[in-house]
Amino acid sequence: TQLLEQSPQFLSIQEGENLTVYCNSSSVFSSLQWYRQEPGEGPVLLVTVVTGGEVKKLKRLTFQFGDARKDSSLHITAAQTGDTGLYLCAGVDTGNQFYFGTGTSLTVIP
Amino acid sequence: NAGVTQTPKFQVLKTGQSMTLQCAQDMNHEYMSWYRQDPGMGLRLIHYSVGAGITDQGEVPNGYNVSRSTTEDFPLRLLSAAPSQTSVYFCASSYSWGTSQETQYFGPGTRLLVL
Repeated sequence: TQLLEQSPQFLSIQEGENLTVYCNSSSVFSSLQWYRQEPGEGPVLLVTVVTGGEVKKLKRLTFQFGDARKDSSLHITAAQTGDTGLYLCAGVDTGNQFYFGTGTSLTVIP
Repeated sequence: NAGVTQTPKFQVLKTGQSMTLQCAQDMNHEYMSWYRQDPGMGLRLIHYSVGAGITDQGEVPNGYNVSRSTTEDFPLRLLSAAPSQTSVYFCASSYSWGTSQETQYFGPGTRLLVL
């Protein structure tokens, strides 16, 4: 059962542009994590959001947890080629079980 | 400190063969897990362990076995490989299990092709 849907699935943009990736579910999560995965490597944690409505910033990346704790978004300002990768959201349920989203593959073109 | 290591990196199997994917961590983490990653489906949990001697099934456990005899090691066994098990397998670990804010550390993955 896939609980988390990410959109878009693929995204190709020019360097300097802004973008937003969405992670949606009908389930409520205790927390929501975002990971980035580069080719040939395992995912690496970027951020964890816990409180409904919470916003966290990591340099040019802004993460938001939905008020109802069912969805999240990742916004990148002025994308750079180093942002290229697969972005995965992961919801943690009340039993502390992780459920990963379907992934968004981002390519930033120089 | 090597983190999470996985072997082999690549493997080709014939249908019906068995094999073990190795996973080890040197961070003294309690929680370890195995995921498979398929295109368009994200990561799906196969099995997990909250400590030595304790294992449980995840979302897609059929065709896989695990054991956890030590804190460090968490091997994944394919009993009789099938083409549907062609995937990239990731092992992950975290310090503990029981909070919603744990960081999972992933290994580099094992790419498995079953013919």
